Amino acid sequence: KAGVTQTPRYLIKTRGQQVTLSCSPISGHRSVSWYQQTPGQGLQFLFEYFSETQRNKGNFPGRFSGRQFSNSRSEMNVSTLELGDSALYLCASSLVGSGTDTQYFGPGTRLTVL
Amino acid sequence: AQKITQTQPGMFVQEKEAVTLDCTYDTSDPSYGLFWYKQPSSGEMIFLIYQGSYDQQNATEGRYSLNFQKARKSANLVISASQLGDSAMYFCAMREAYSYNTDKLIFGTGTRLQVFP
Repeated sequence: KAGVTQTPRYLIKTRGQQVTLSCSPISGHRSVSWYQQTPGQGLQFLFEYFSETQRNKGNFPGRFSGRQFSNSRSEMNVSTLELGDSALYLCASSLVGSGTDTQYFGPGTRLTVL
Repeated sequence: AQKITQTQPGMFVQEKEAVTLDCTYDTSDPSYGLFWYKQPSSGEMIFLIYQGSYDQQNATEGRYSLNFQKARKSANLVISASQLGDSAMYFCAMREAYSYNTDKLIFGTGTRLQVFP
């Protein structure tokens, strides 16, 4: 079974631009979560989606948004990029996102904002 | 609020030796799940092992075992017979509000393990 895939793997943008990252979960998984990883803040939860509905959201500004499609694929969008948005963005999927479910992570998208 | 603490920023171990990576947690929820992930320099988070708060036995997965001490709120990862490929960052994580429908994981700051020949 294929794992979680994320595209693109690397991105370079400039301040003020916007960016869209994509995540395809493991087949059959309905829950998708996003995390931001930086050297200073570590791993921080962005949001999670289940059955096309945002179920939980982390403490990030409104410039960060996401959505999930009917096939469970998810996208996250960051508008008006800032230098501090440079990070590794990790997507994870699980079957239903609760209980003993294990989250499986993708390879991440490394975003650099210049 | 839930919190994960990993006090070892870095650890060194010789190949074929065992190593223990520490993790303590704090939660008021009686039901919770604890996870360990490995992150090589490539960036991908690789799931290693899971322990539920009501599990009677310590979890084991191949060379990985979890030393779960509920009263002490610790969930240490033990890697037996270390290999050079085990060199990576290791993260302990907890699922918040285990009792409810959420997939949110709280992560510790990680431990960088280096295995030398």
